[in-house]
Amino acid sequence: DAEITQSPRHKITETGRQVTLACHQTWNHNNMFWYRQDLGHGLRLIHYSYGVQDTNKGEVSDGYSVSRSNTEDLPLTLESAASSQTSVYFCASSGDRNYGYTFGSGTRLTVV
Amino acid sequence: AQSVAQPEDQVNVAEGNPLTVKCTYSVSGNPYLFWYVQYPNRGLQFLLKYITGDNLVKGSYGFEAEFNKSQTSFHLKKPSALVSDSALYFCAVRGYTGRRALTFGSGTRLQVQP
Repeated sequence: DAEITQSPRHKITETGRQVTLACHQTWNHNNMFWYRQDLGHGLRLIHYSYGVQDTNKGEVSDGYSVSRSNTEDLPLTLESAASSQTSVYFCASSGDRNYGYTFGSGTRLTVV
Repeated sequence: AQSVAQPEDQVNVAEGNPLTVKCTYSVSGNPYLFWYVQYPNRGLQFLLKYITGDNLVKGSYGFEAEFNKSQTSFHLKKPSALVSDSALYFCAVRGYTGRRALTFGSGTRLQVQP
């Protein structure tokens, strides 16, 4: 069955370190998204991609970057982790026609 | 810009009673509207969506939602609540055109008391 997987599930890192969160989908979806979830804010969009070599900034993109070298993967990189980036991160994907969005199980990141 | 408002941080309802979780939206043009549910320490599960057609949409676990264009609302409803419905509920929107990413509301915690 097709799926979307995120790794790791939990991560603790130190302030200033570079961290990469992985997102891999086997739906063959062109569209992929990264969100962060914080209490009182719901899910906020960090970056998104409509296909290979395409990336776009969302509302809370400062301090984050993504790259899309193939259809399946959209890794999220925190260039220099900050305590304000402690959050739960969700990856999602969608096709171009069925308007269905599939979410990963999330990565809980703690920056100490 | 598109936005979603979920005016209630928490909704409390007794088991067996009907429940409503409110959602209003703002988007340019026609909307695609979604409801998701999140159980503790879990990801988001899809409940239902409105794309076009009938204003009353039926979804998973007995939930339904009514699209009201004049009031720009998409309230989630269930005729008889279960304790197992207790969770965090998110409304989301995107437009027919423009950015394909969903914009989410801040979430409403539903607490169903036995």
